[in-house]
Amino acid sequence: GENVEQHPSTLSVQEGDSAVIKCTYSDSASNYFPWYKQELGKGPQLIIDIRSNVGEKKDQRIAVTLNKTAKHFSLHITETQPEDSAVYFCAASKNTGFQKLVFGTGTRLLVSP
Amino acid sequence: DADVTQTPRNRITKTGKRIMLECSQTKGHDRMYWYRQDPGLGLRLIYYSFDVKDINKGEISDGYSVSRQAQAKFSLSLESAIPNQTALYFCATSDPGQGDEKLFFGSGTQLSVL
Repeated sequence: GENVEQHPSTLSVQEGDSAVIKCTYSDSASNYFPWYKQELGKGPQLIIDIRSNVGEKKDQRIAVTLNKTAKHFSLHITETQPEDSAVYFCAASKNTGFQKLVFGTGTRLLVSP
Repeated sequence: DADVTQTPRNRITKTGKRIMLECSQTKGHDRMYWYRQDPGLGLRLIYYSFDVKDINKGEISDGYSVSRQAQAKFSLSLESAIPNQTALYFCATSDPGQGDEKLFFGSGTQLSVL
């Protein structure tokens, strides 16, 4: 089955810096790659996603890139702010009629003022 | 008001006890899920349901059972709790009719089994 590895497990940056979180997946048939943000005491919330027919997607300060050949995808956050501090999860799934997501292990991002 | 509500938020129980975690939603979604979150392991799927008469095992269903009482309600039971079931549990919903499988999570139930 699918396996998703996520790195780093923790990431500390200064406010205004960029942050990059990387994930690799094992199943070449996977075609949907979402990113979820989990703030303290809350459930994960989808922040951006990408499908395999697209190499990059942006939404304001966040972007996701996908390299199908290497089977990895990354989350890029520019101009980080303290409110970006959270745990971020990547995930992958393939379209089998039901997209059963396999999640990475999470990255704790800390943005210091 | 929360669209996906989980009760209780925190629960401490003893080994061998039966407990139930409850989830209700006002989003009108047919699909509901139970996930478990452990430090360093991410989120793992326990059970999922596509409608009231549909129940499916996920990746780690052993030791758990579920009941889909209505479209809006999906409960998770631990028949005989054990310490390694200590974890943060999330209920989620989705609506594939919107063209994707975006998951909407509740705020979670922190369960401790002593």
